[in-house]
Amino acid sequence: QQQVKQSPQSLIVQKGGISIINCAYENTAFDYFPWYQQFPGKGPALLIAIRPDVSEKKEGRFTISFNKSAKQFSLHIMDSQPGDSATYFCAARISGSARQLTFGSGTQLTVLP
Amino acid sequence: SAVISQKPSRDICQRGTSLTIQCQVDSQVTMMFWYRQQPGQSLTLIATANQGSEATYESGFVIDKFPISRPNLTFSTLTVSNMSPEDSSIYLCSVEERRLGTGNTEAFFGQGTRLTVV
Repeated sequence: QQQVKQSPQSLIVQKGGISIINCAYENTAFDYFPWYQQFPGKGPALLIAIRPDVSEKKEGRFTISFNKSAKQFSLHIMDSQPGDSATYFCAARISGSARQLTFGSGTQLTVLP
Repeated sequence: SAVISQKPSRDICQRGTSLTIQCQVDSQVTMMFWYRQQPGQSLTLIATANQGSEATYESGFVIDKFPISRPNLTFSTLTVSNMSPEDSSIYLCSVEERRLGTGNTEAFFGQGTRLTVV
């Protein structure tokens, strides 16, 4: 019930294209869904996050789409750039819970110039 | 956001030895956590470092193997004891802060310690 499933494992996109990474969860108690970006040799950094009371959140080129009934959420990177090449993790948590984040397995994104 | 410094950034260690990783935060934080990230894998929570009391370990992790100290609200250490090649991984320190404006509690990570056991 604590698992978050992420796909694809790896993704190659041409510069200017749209990158889409999907996550699905089982635990309906999750109420906070962040995405993290990790560059080689660095720790994960918060990219964007959403709560289930909205279906979409956009920050610049990054958009989270959230489907509560399907228990799925996705990250869309518009106009993908080579500098976006990194590993992306979705995560989920229960607000107010003593438990920390549950992470997806990660997606290695490569944006070709 | 909190600035987290981890030392060392990387190390190569002999089998059977121990390594202590330090995590320093630039502000007082209540919650500090230690994660393991095996090559090409996701992040797995090892334990929550509690100030003034014993760490709380997740299933599969024990204090004898991963002793943790948390002497104050800005510092913690994780020791990887009696290392084997299976312990080769990235170890990450993390803290939580409540973000002004949104009220969301966000997790921030250090840059990690890349450990190779030979």
